[in-house]
Amino acid sequence: DAGITQSPRHKVTETGTPVTLRCHQTENHRYMYWYRQDPGHGLRLIHYSYGVKDTDKGEVSDGYSVSRSKTEDFLLTLESATSSQTSVYFCATGGGTPPYEQYFGPGTRLTVT
Amino acid sequence: GQQVMQIPQYQHVQEGEDFTTYCNSSTTLSNIQWYKQRPGGHPVFLIQLVKSGEVKKQKRLTFQFGEAKKNSSLHITATQTTDVGTYFCARSYRSKYNFNKFYFGSGTKLNVKP
Repeated sequence: DAGITQSPRHKVTETGTPVTLRCHQTENHRYMYWYRQDPGHGLRLIHYSYGVKDTDKGEVSDGYSVSRSKTEDFLLTLESATSSQTSVYFCATGGGTPPYEQYFGPGTRLTVT
Repeated sequence: GQQVMQIPQYQHVQEGEDFTTYCNSSTTLSNIQWYKQRPGGHPVFLIQLVKSGEVKKQKRLTFQFGEAKKNSSLHITATQTTDVGTYFCARSYRSKYNFNKFYFGSGTKLNVKP
C-alpha cells in the first residue's frame, strides 16, 4: 500500500461543530482526493487537488472545504457538521499516470450526533 | 450521464460457486477500473481496462470490457472466502485541469459461505 495515513480514524462530534480531517501521503503524488462512502452510494468525490494550493469541487462539495499547503497534506474541513455528514471519509492519491490507479487511505469514520 | 450502474447490489454464494458483477453506462467509457474493498478496509485497485472487447485475467478473476465500451464485468471462478468484500467499478473522466477524476459505481457486496 502507498504511504497514506488519515487522522483521526474515528471521531464523534456534535451538530454545528467544525471538524477537520487530515490526509498525509509520503508518495509525493500530485493529485489527491477526498471521498465519502455511504451505503448504497459507493464512493462520491467531495473535493480534489491537482497541486499545492490548487483545489476544486467534486460532486458532493456542499458543506465541505479543503486546503493543501504542502504536497503531502490534504485537509478536509466540515465548517459546521450536520448529521447528514455522518459517513466514512477516504482520502486517495494517484490517478495521474496510466493506469491511473488510485491509492486509498484507511478511512475516517465520522459520526455527527 | 457520468454515472455507472452496478448490479447486483448483493450476492451470496457458496464457496466454490462462480460470481459475476456487472457495470453499465449509458455513455461510452474511455476506460473502466475495478476495485475491491474488504470488510472494514479501504478500496484497493485491481485493474484498468481500456480497449474495446478487452479481457484480462488475474488468477481466478476475469475482467471484460464490452465491445461498445458501455459495460464491463468481473467474474470470479470458484469463489473462496478470501473473495469476500465489495467490488466497485469506476469510470474516469478528464477534469478541466486535464487530469482524471473518477465516478464509482455503488458496488456489489459479495458474501461467500464456507
